[in-house]
Amino acid sequence: QKEVEQDPGPLSVPEGAIVSLNCTYSNSAFQYFMWYRQYSRKGPELLMYTYSSGNKEDGRFTAQVDKSSKYISLFIRDSQPSDSATYLCAMSRNSGNTPLVFGKGTRLSVIA
Amino acid sequence: DVKVTQSSRYLVKRTGEKVFLECVQDMDHENMFWYRQDPGLGLRLIYFSYDVKMKEKGDIPEGYSVSREKKERFSLILESASTNQTSMYLCASSPGGQETQYFGPGTRLLVL
Repeated sequence: QKEVEQDPGPLSVPEGAIVSLNCTYSNSAFQYFMWYRQYSRKGPELLMYTYSSGNKEDGRFTAQVDKSSKYISLFIRDSQPSDSATYLCAMSRNSGNTPLVFGKGTRLSVIA
Repeated sequence: DVKVTQSSRYLVKRTGEKVFLECVQDMDHENMFWYRQDPGLGLRLIYFSYDVKMKEKGDIPEGYSVSREKKERFSLILESASTNQTSMYLCASSPGGQETQYFGPGTRLLVL
């Protein structure tokens, strides 16, 4: 079983829809969870960061972590065509000098 | 704002050539990373460094080496480029004791 699983998509939604992106993981030691957004032919940019379980909201974006189910989600409300990108989840066992483990990314298209 | 720059956006090299990819960060980050990104395979860690003159192998170090002579600069070296090293190469940095990584724009390398 891979450490981090993420559905590659592609996921296509109409403008204004609520988007749900998800990752599952197998290592219960993961405590730090991130979502990155990557536009075509660009480097990933950090979108959301959460520690342990719970929710975090930033504008139209909400990140959820359910450690009991080993499941993390990113919700995008009122999706816009500018949200069209690949979304990568990433996680880490502990703070500091431990490389992140990335999902393979989900490609999202928001159609106007 | 954190800024990670990479020396080239696009690079074309011939099989057998020695290739240098340069990465510079301007935020005094301790940690630096080199990844390659391929369709269907996601981000794969090649090498990382937690301090000047230190390096650690990632998941796919074969055919690559790195150099970190100064804190702000991390170089990836392809000793003898091969066609299977055609890829998008991404550099990232993070502050010591923190897990969030900041990425450069990437170098798209084509080996003919």
